[in-house]
Amino acid sequence: QKEVEQDPGPLSVPEGAIVSLNCTYSNSAFQYFMWYRQYSRKGPELLMYTYSSGNKEDGRFTAQVDKSSKYISLFIRDSQPSDSATYLCAMSGTLQGAQKLVFGQGTRLTINP
Amino acid sequence: GAVVSQHPSWVICKSGTSVKIECRSLDFQATTMFWYRQFPKQSLMLMATSNEGSKATYEQGVEKDKFLINHASLTLSTLTVTSAHPEDSSFYICSASRELQFFGPGTRLTVL
Repeated sequence: QKEVEQDPGPLSVPEGAIVSLNCTYSNSAFQYFMWYRQYSRKGPELLMYTYSSGNKEDGRFTAQVDKSSKYISLFIRDSQPSDSATYLCAMSGTLQGAQKLVFGQGTRLTINP
Repeated sequence: GAVVSQHPSWVICKSGTSVKIECRSLDFQATTMFWYRQFPKQSLMLMATSNEGSKATYEQGVEKDKFLINHASLTLSTLTVTSAHPEDSSFYICSASRELQFFGPGTRLTVL
């Protein structure tokens, strides 16, 4: 079993839809949870990060962490074609020192105009 | 803030040659930089962790003599693929850590 599981998709939705992207994990030591967006042939871009359980909102994006269920989500409201990308969840136990990130497989998302 | 650059963005080389890829943090100092490799439609695979002024720590299965990493300053790390072969063709991405990891745009290496 992988430490972090993420449905690779592909996921295709119409413009304006609410998108839900999810990851589950097995390591209870994870405390920091990130979402990266990666466009084709580009490096990942940090979208959001959260610490421990709870919600965090930034514009059309909301990140949720449920540590009791070991489940994290990224919601995209009013999705736009420009949101079409691969979304990677990542997590770590600390932000100090040479912390390694553990990544999910990435979900390929397409927003259709 | 937190901008990371990579150079070159793409490179084509002949088998047997060496290729150097630079990773720079442009607006912050990064004690730690990471090098990843990514195959098409796959997630990132960590190759090594690089700390300024010390030897890199390589992940299991990564040949340290083939993938030479130098972290000369708090803003620059380099990855040299020595004696490159077609199987080394891939997308190489670095990240610089300022608590969170910020990624460069990647370098596409094609070995003929």
